[in-house]
Amino acid sequence: QVQLQESGPGLVKPSETLSLTCTVSGGSINSHYWTWIRQPPGKGLEWIGYIYYSGSTNYNFPLKSRVIMSVDTSKNQFSLKLSSVTAADTAVYYCARGGAFFDYWGQGILVTVSS
Amino acid sequence: EIVLTQSPGTLSLSPGERATLSCRASQSVSSSYLAWYQQKPGQAPRLLIYSASSRAIGIPDRFSGSGSGTDVTLTISRLEPEDFAMYYCQQYGSSPYTFGQGTKLEIK
Repeated sequence: QVQLQESGPGLVKPSETLSLTCTVSGGSINSHYWTWIRQPPGKGLEWIGYIYYSGSTNYNFPLKSRVIMSVDTSKNQFSLKLSSVTAADTAVYYCARGGAFFDYWGQGILVTVSS
Repeated sequence: EIVLTQSPGTLSLSPGERATLSCRASQSVSSSYLAWYQQKPGQAPRLLIYSASSRAIGIPDRFSGSGSGTDVTLTISRLEPEDFAMYYCQQYGSSPYTFGQGTKLEIK
């Protein structure tokens, strides 16, 4: 059974960089696409982008200038960096498997942007 | 970007009843690249349907998807208590992938 687990700081200061890692267990990160999705408190889902295990990426255009995704196949992990954060970036961040629809999800991690 | 509009916003039904949830796209979604997810409070979404009508692994057959182009529907044939949740549609026919705003299925 594939499992995903997000990790990283739950509190980030405005203008700083949000950094999260997703660890994949129960399966290989190879030959799959891996996605980040976020959900502001009480609101809907927003696709942030995906990374292929080989490193190719596709980001949501409004976030493109602030997002960097990376993958570490040796650790079965992939990561998200979102720079210059504001309060509008406060959300539960999910990692998920898939580059189209998403069949396995992490439990999510709440990241709050506040000074 | 393709905007997905789900209706109704809230659906109040009783266990045993049939639920019909709609999702309309602002433009045709290529190859019926549409998915449905269920989300319960405090949990991650769960994939129910992909390619508009294919059930994901482990999803009961009371869940079915239909439609194509700009209009798709999720039908739950006989509601079980555990089916009361939030439901989202998602298109992956063109980037950026987008989600509908959700339909809340609540117990009447």
